[in-house]
Amino acid sequence: GQQLNQSPQSMFIQEGEDVSMNCTSSSIFNTWLWYKQDPGEGPVLLIALYKAGELTSNGRLTAQFGITRKDSFLNISASIPSDVGIYFCAGQYSGGSNYKLTFGKGTLLTVNP
Amino acid sequence: KAGVTQTPRYLIKTRGQQVTLSCSPISGHRSVSWYQQTPGQGLQFLFEYFSETQRNKGNFPGRFSGRQFSNSRSEMNVSTLELGDSALYLCASSYEGAGELFFGEGSRLTVL
Repeated sequence: GQQLNQSPQSMFIQEGEDVSMNCTSSSIFNTWLWYKQDPGEGPVLLIALYKAGELTSNGRLTAQFGITRKDSFLNISASIPSDVGIYFCAGQYSGGSNYKLTFGKGTLLTVNP
Repeated sequence: KAGVTQTPRYLIKTRGQQVTLSCSPISGHRSVSWYQQTPGQGLQFLFEYFSETQRNKGNFPGRFSGRQFSNSRSEMNVSTLELGDSALYLCASSYEGAGELFFGEGSRLTVL
């Protein structure tokens, strides 16, 4: 089945630093989604990407859909303590009405004030 | 606009019992998907329902089942519970299935 490799697994940074994480896949996707999950809560959608090469921002977050359709990255600029959490990438290949998401294992972000 | 609502938030069961979890999607959304989240396996797709029909299914045993009602609300059932079924069960809704999926807060199941 499809596999998503998300890296890094964890990051420990100082407040104000920029963060970058990425996902690579063995298969192509036509949608990439990035989520953040706080402990005991469900994932919250941060950014959705629909086109190869697309670069989209949401406040301090920027994400890109790779040209090959097999990768995506998420950048967080000027990190703040509330950025702490687990970030997941998810790919969707909506062919034949199969819309299941394949998730990466997550990146645990810790921000030191 | 209300988000995805899942009930119950927490529950404890013993091996061999069965459990039913409920999900109310965002108003107007017709697709409901279920995911299991565990520390070891991460987020795994269980199944997706659209217009009261199961449209897609993941690689879980037949003990895991679900259904969707005419108002798009969905339930999932796990029968003959095993210790390994302890997990956070997440429901996600979307308008038609493709694109943005919005998750509920999950139902935390503990099997003793």
